[in-house]
Amino acid sequence: NAGVMQNPRHLVRRRGQEARLRCSPMKGHSHVYWYRQLPEEGLKFMVYLQKENIIDESGMPKERFSAEFPKEGPSILRIQQVVRGDSAAYFCASSSTGGGGYNEQFFGPGTRLTVL
Amino acid sequence: KQEVTQIPAALSVPEGENLVLNCSFTDSAIYNLQWFRQDPGKGLTSLLLIQSSQREQTSGRLNASLDKSSGRSTLYIAASQPGDSATYLCAVFPDKLIFGTGTRLQVFP
Repeated sequence: NAGVMQNPRHLVRRRGQEARLRCSPMKGHSHVYWYRQLPEEGLKFMVYLQKENIIDESGMPKERFSAEFPKEGPSILRIQQVVRGDSAAYFCASSSTGGGGYNEQFFGPGTRLTVL
Repeated sequence: KQEVTQIPAALSVPEGENLVLNCSFTDSAIYNLQWFRQDPGKGLTSLLLIQSSQREQTSGRLNASLDKSSGRSTLYIAASQPGDSATYLCAVFPDKLIFGTGTRLQVFP
């Protein structure tokens, strides 16, 4: 049973380009979470999605960032017109259920984005 | 607003020592607390999950305690080994995982 998969593992973009980060949850998991870890900082929650729905996007920057989790295929975190400050490690986690209470989240290896 | 603090920020010890890592949080209204390990350039590995109704959890050489009323958790590592070198993160879950900034542990032979 494969764990949470993220690709690419490393992504280099120039300022102004778009970055697309993909996350495939564990088999049987329908809840996905994205976190960002800036250099020398802790992980910060960005967004929580269920299939075809955004449940909580309170941690997403207001501009340039979007996320989706379609009925088929991986979850995508999209960053438009990247800037140097977007350079960070982006982690995805998945859980089997969500809602009230806590259901253990399993983390992927992360995508390290470098903006030149 | 929930804030999670971890002390110390970094720790370097010789192999064999028993260690205590501290985590404090400002709001006791949490469902649970979780300790993770993060190796350089890698993802997170869950170590221990303590439900809010529990006071401690143990796994091998690791023991984590939770005191919700005082907003504290400790991770105890017995007989440390060089392979324990990593960053240790605690996270609380009120409605989303909120992480501390971690304790960077180095165990030298």
